[in-house]
Amino acid sequence: DVKVTQSSRYLVKRTGEKVFLECVQDMDHENMFWYRQDPGLGLRLIYFSYDVKMKEKGDIPEGYSVSREKKERFSLILESASTNQTSMYLCASSLLSGGTNQPQHFGDGTRLSIL
Amino acid sequence: GNSVTQMEGPVTLSEEAFLTINCTYTATGYPSLFWYVQYPGEGLQLLLKATKADDKGSNKGFEATYRKETTSFHLEKGSVQVSDSAVYFCALSDNSGGSNYKLTFGKGTLLTVNP
Repeated sequence: DVKVTQSSRYLVKRTGEKVFLECVQDMDHENMFWYRQDPGLGLRLIYFSYDVKMKEKGDIPEGYSVSREKKERFSLILESASTNQTSMYLCASSLLSGGTNQPQHFGDGTRLSIL
Repeated sequence: GNSVTQMEGPVTLSEEAFLTINCTYTATGYPSLFWYVQYPGEGLQLLLKATKADDKGSNKGFEATYRKETTSFHLEKGSVQVSDSAVYFCALSDNSGGSNYKLTFGKGTLLTVNP
């Protein structure tokens, strides 16, 4: 089974801090994704990456950046955390081959609170 | 652009009741369609998928049929159990554009099954 591991289940940070969320997958997937999940809004894509050092903006990239130095690891960075970034963050990965038929595999999420 | 609309919850049923969660979509091209489930405190898991018109996806007693003529992918289960209590997300992956690995999610439907 594919395993997507997010480094923290719960995280509390202060306004203005630089925050790193880490995600690792163990199935050699090319694609990796970061979403945030908010009540009433569902999942919204922040950034995704289809290869090492490659990235594309999703629907809500403002205030975030990402890093993919190795294929198995995809980091989300909050450059200067703000209270409106309090949310559940979900990482996912998928195979490139087979195109859009490939499902995404999700981690258990990081619940981030910015005080 | 792409969009997914699913029925708003919450949905509350008694054990062994019949379940339908409606999902309709708007997409260019020929999307693949997915249902994901999120159990309390966990990330999303793929429940079932369909990749072309008239395909039926099924898993764990759940079914959904890809209806191109009505642009729908409704989730059904004949007899729900308490353990089915979760949030259900309908999603599509559109292969017509450059960002063809992204999923577009509905807002999710919370299902509660009472004994």
